[in-house]
Amino acid sequence: EVQLVESGGGLVKPGESLRLSCAASGFTFSSYNMNWVRQAPGRGLEWVSSISTSSYYIFYADSVKGRFTSSRDNTRNSLYLQLNSLRGEDTAVYYCARVTGYYFGMDVWGQGTAVTVSS
Amino acid sequence: DIRLTQSPSSLSASVGDRVSITCRASQSISNYLNWYQQKPGKAPKLLISATSSLQSGVPSRFSGSGSGTDFTLTISGLQPEDFAIYYCQQTYSTLLFTFGPGTKVEI
Repeated sequence: EVQLVESGGGLVKPGESLRLSCAASGFTFSSYNMNWVRQAPGRGLEWVSSISTSSYYIFYADSVKGRFTSSRDNTRNSLYLQLNSLRGEDTAVYYCARVTGYYFGMDVWGQGTAVTVSS
Repeated sequence: DIRLTQSPSSLSASVGDRVSITCRASQSISNYLNWYQQKPGKAPKLLISATSSLQSGVPSRFSGSGSGTDFTLTISGLQPEDFAIYYCQQTYSTLLFTFGPGTKVEI
């Protein structure tokens, strides 16, 4: 079964850090670009980051640039998102998603992991 | 940055209705437009990519059209399981994959 499972979310204080993980199974992870997408409570979807198959290209939304770092380990079939200098507005459910095709649709999503930033 | 708007922001419809949702881009995005469906507490689901290409397993009552800046998602014959929030997403700008604000389809 094709599956993505996120972990690592939790409650942190402003300014603290967190590392999210996304474990892939059921497909050749190293062949796919991957995205992180987040959703604040009661809000819409926000693309956070994209990483290419070999990590050669990594892009970030302006709202997280310089604070978040996306990485991947193809030997472990895993995707990571390092969240530093967290702010209240980073509170959200974070999803990892597989990117497919020439038009970069996200066809497989994890269940999400919740990050709450509050003092 | 490419911005997406969706209209309406919400709509009420009945089972069997034909429903259309519009997504407008702030500049031309060719056909780099995807549509997602999200139900409460669930991850989004890719319905349509490249403006009109239906994903495997998605019912044929869903269709997409458009090009350039104006795009439409149509549901022909709304079913109970279709009540959800629908998001468009542009992937023309690979540096910033923006989503539209969403359209809530309610009973």
